[in-house]
Amino acid sequence: GENVEQHPSTLSVQEGDSAVIKCTYSDSASNYFPWYKQELGKRPQLIIDIRSNVGEKKDQRIAVTLNKTAKHFSLHITETQPEDSAVYFCAAREGSQGNLIFGKGTKLSVKP
Amino acid sequence: EPEVTQTPSHQVTQMGQEVILRCVPISNHLYFYWYRQILGQKVEFLVSFYNNEISEKSEIFDDQFSVERPDGSNFTLKIRSTKLEDSAMYFCASSPIGGRFSGNTIYFGEGSWLTVV
Repeated sequence: GENVEQHPSTLSVQEGDSAVIKCTYSDSASNYFPWYKQELGKRPQLIIDIRSNVGEKKDQRIAVTLNKTAKHFSLHITETQPEDSAVYFCAAREGSQGNLIFGKGTKLSVKP
Repeated sequence: EPEVTQTPSHQVTQMGQEVILRCVPISNHLYFYWYRQILGQKVEFLVSFYNNEISEKSEIFDDQFSVERPDGSNFTLKIRSTKLEDSAMYFCASSPIGGRFSGNTIYFGEGSWLTVV
């Protein structure tokens, strides 16, 4: 089955700096990769996703890149703000019904 | 915007007791999921459900767990005899279409926090 590895587990940046979180996956057949943001005690919320026919996708300050050959994808947040502080999970879709397999999460802290 | 809703938001139960967690998926969605998140850990897939039957389940989803869609709107997770290690946040999720290649978004509910004492 799919295995998703995520790094780093914690990331601390100054407000205004960029943050990059990286994930690798094992199943070459996976073709959908969402990123979720989870604030303490809340549900995971989709912030951006990418499909395997696309190499990069951007939405304002957030971008995701995908390297299918290397089986890794990354989340890039530019001009970070304190409200970006949260745990970010990457995921890859597997199984006939498209279950999501999550990485272990990255706790991002943005210091004012 | 439609949301997945879950009840209860928090439940405390004695070890060995049965627990039922309830979910109302988004109304036009066809694929339903339960995920679990132990405090401070990653979100783990438990089970997927489509067309009134389980589609896939993980190793976590053993004989103590069951799911049901008793009517047209609710989707429930039952834990027959709870253990201390079942303490976690349980998320229900749904998507309008499923399948490995659909690339479709999965929407999560707010979660039900289960504490087994």
